[in-house]
Amino acid sequence: EVQLVESGGGLVQPGGSLRLSCAASGFTFSSYAMHWVRQAPGKGLEYVSAISSNGGSTYYANSVKGRFTISRDNSKNTLYLQMGSLRAEDMAVYYCARVVVIGYYYSYNDYWGQGTLVTVSS
Amino acid sequence: EIVLTQSPGTLSLSPGERATLSCRASQSVSSSYLAWYQQKPGQAPRLLIYGASSRATGIPDRFSGSGSGTDFTLTISRLEPEDFAVYYCQQYGSSPLGTFGQGTKLEIK
Repeated sequence: EVQLVESGGGLVQPGGSLRLSCAASGFTFSSYAMHWVRQAPGKGLEYVSAISSNGGSTYYANSVKGRFTISRDNSKNTLYLQMGSLRAEDMAVYYCARVVVIGYYYSYNDYWGQGTLVTVSS
Repeated sequence: EIVLTQSPGTLSLSPGERATLSCRASQSVSSSYLAWYQQKPGQAPRLLIYGASSRATGIPDRFSGSGSGTDFTLTISRLEPEDFAVYYCQQYGSSPLGTFGQGTKLEIK
């Protein structure tokens, strides 16, 4: 059974840092690209970042570029999101999601974690 | 960036009725690279449809997707109580980070 379990969320002050983790099981993690997707309270879904299966390619939304870093450790079956210079508008539930790659294209997400809440407040 | 606009914002229907949800793209979505997700309160999104019309594993056949180019539709033929949720469309293929529509809330009338 495919499982994605996020952790690391919590309360952080504006300007602070936080590292999210996503532990994967039930599939060959190293064969899949991964996404981080966030959802602000009462709002819709927003892609934050993507990483290729070997970690060699990374992509960021303009809203987080230069502040967030996505990475992965395929030996530990774990995805990470290092978040820095956090702002009030970064407050959201953060989901990790497995990517189905079609040819060269990152496509849809067939499995999602349950999410972890990041609260940015003083 | 392709912008997706979903309509209506809220749809009020009764169990047993047919639901039709729309997703319109600001430019053509190549190869019908469009997906639909269902999200219930406090839960992660669940993939329903990919490639505009292919049902994901385990999705009941009352859910169907159609469309191409810039206009796509999710149809739920006969609403069950568990179908009341928020539905998002998502386009992919133009960027490693796709885009979502703003969502349609399907509520019980």
